[in-house]
Amino acid sequence: DVKVTQSSRYLVKRTGEKVFLECVQDMDHENMFWYRQDPGLGLRLIYFSYDVKMKEKGDIPEGYSVSREKKERFSLILESASTNQTSMYLCASSFVVGGSYGYTFGSGTRLTVV
Amino acid sequence: DAKTTQPPSMDCAEGRAANLPCNHSTISGNEYVYWYRQIHSQGPQYIIHGLKNNETNEMASLIITEDRKSSTLILPHATLRDTAVYYCIVDYNNNDMRFGAGTRLTVKP
Repeated sequence: DVKVTQSSRYLVKRTGEKVFLECVQDMDHENMFWYRQDPGLGLRLIYFSYDVKMKEKGDIPEGYSVSREKKERFSLILESASTNQTSMYLCASSFVVGGSYGYTFGSGTRLTVV
Repeated sequence: DAKTTQPPSMDCAEGRAANLPCNHSTISGNEYVYWYRQIHSQGPQYIIHGLKNNETNEMASLIITEDRKSSTLILPHATLRDTAVYYCIVDYNNNDMRFGAGTRLTVKP
């Protein structure tokens, strides 16, 4: 089975900490994405990357950065975690060609910032 | 903003067909229609996609109107495990998927 693996299922961090959320895919997908999901707000795109060392801002990039040093790995970084970043974070990957079989999502990381 | 409109919730009896509608009146000629579903506490799962023609796979069928301004996802024999939030998305090149609020489908015994 193809997989997108997120390093942690649950994470608790303190305000002001630097937080790394890791995502690895084994499908040789070009595109990788980070979303956050909050009740009533649905999934919101934070950042995406269509190639190694490339990144594009999504709808809510403030307070986040990303790193893609290798094709299979896409990291989301919270430079200084705040309580309003408590959320479910979802990583996804896809081929770049339109009409291919959509996105494959990881199981999510539920981050709590205290 | 999401480019689709879906009803916020629907109910369906177990064993019956679930028909989930989606409006995408501003869809472009080269944009695909994708459907995903999200079961509680899991990441969204790809179901099906199409461009112009109707599509069927082992999970569902996708009916796209001739003018492509709307589509319907059909789960032919809904089970309790099909209870989930279903998202309809239009996208061209797989790098701009915006998820709206989706439709919360509840399958009832």
